[in-house]
Amino acid sequence: KQEVTQIPAALSVPEGENLVLNCSFTDSAIYNLQWFRQDPGKGLTSLLLIQSSQREQTSGRLNASLDKSSGRSTLYIAASQPGDSATYLCAVRPADSSYKLIFGSGTRLLVRP
Amino acid sequence: SQTIHQWPATLVQPVGSPLSLECTVEGTSNPNLYWYRQAAGRGLQLLFYSVGIGQISSEVPQNLSASRPQDRQFILSSKKLLLSDSGFYLCALRQPSGNTIYFGEGSWLTVV
Repeated sequence: KQEVTQIPAALSVPEGENLVLNCSFTDSAIYNLQWFRQDPGKGLTSLLLIQSSQREQTSGRLNASLDKSSGRSTLYIAASQPGDSATYLCAVRPADSSYKLIFGSGTRLLVRP
Repeated sequence: SQTIHQWPATLVQPVGSPLSLECTVEGTSNPNLYWYRQAAGRGLQLLFYSVGIGQISSEVPQNLSASRPQDRQFILSSKKLLLSDSGFYLCALRQPSGNTIYFGEGSWLTVV
């Protein structure tokens, strides 16, 4: 059974710091992995999607990497800003599923001014 | 681009009362639609998904049901709410030819 874990559960950093959020999954047979951002009381916003054949994806100050064989993904945020404060969730789509996403519990990020 | 509308945004209902949460989408045809629930301090749990009108698959046994009367409409219902049904309900879609999942703004349900 696929399980997704995100560590740490919460992170507080000063503004301007580069940071890495971690996501691990137990079954390497995935179709893709997606990173989301969730602001308090709001829905999820898709940030990056990495297909199983890809190693990384970049969007602005965000870079997501995928090491499928070791069951790990990281989300790198460069030059963090207070506006980056949110909960970040990763989700994997199993290779044998055409519809399901399995989510981690998220990392709650606070960027202090 | 596609948009997802959910209502009501917030709902407080007594135990034993019925429930209807509605999700409508725009800007896409024949999407895959999903209902997720996010309980406090927990990850997202997939409740239902639908690949077309009238086609509903349930992920977990529960007090809830879903229906898709139109291509772009997905409804989450209950005949009698339980306290444990409280949570944040999110509707999501995936376009048939795409991989990215998009979420609506969610509906907060508190059962008292």
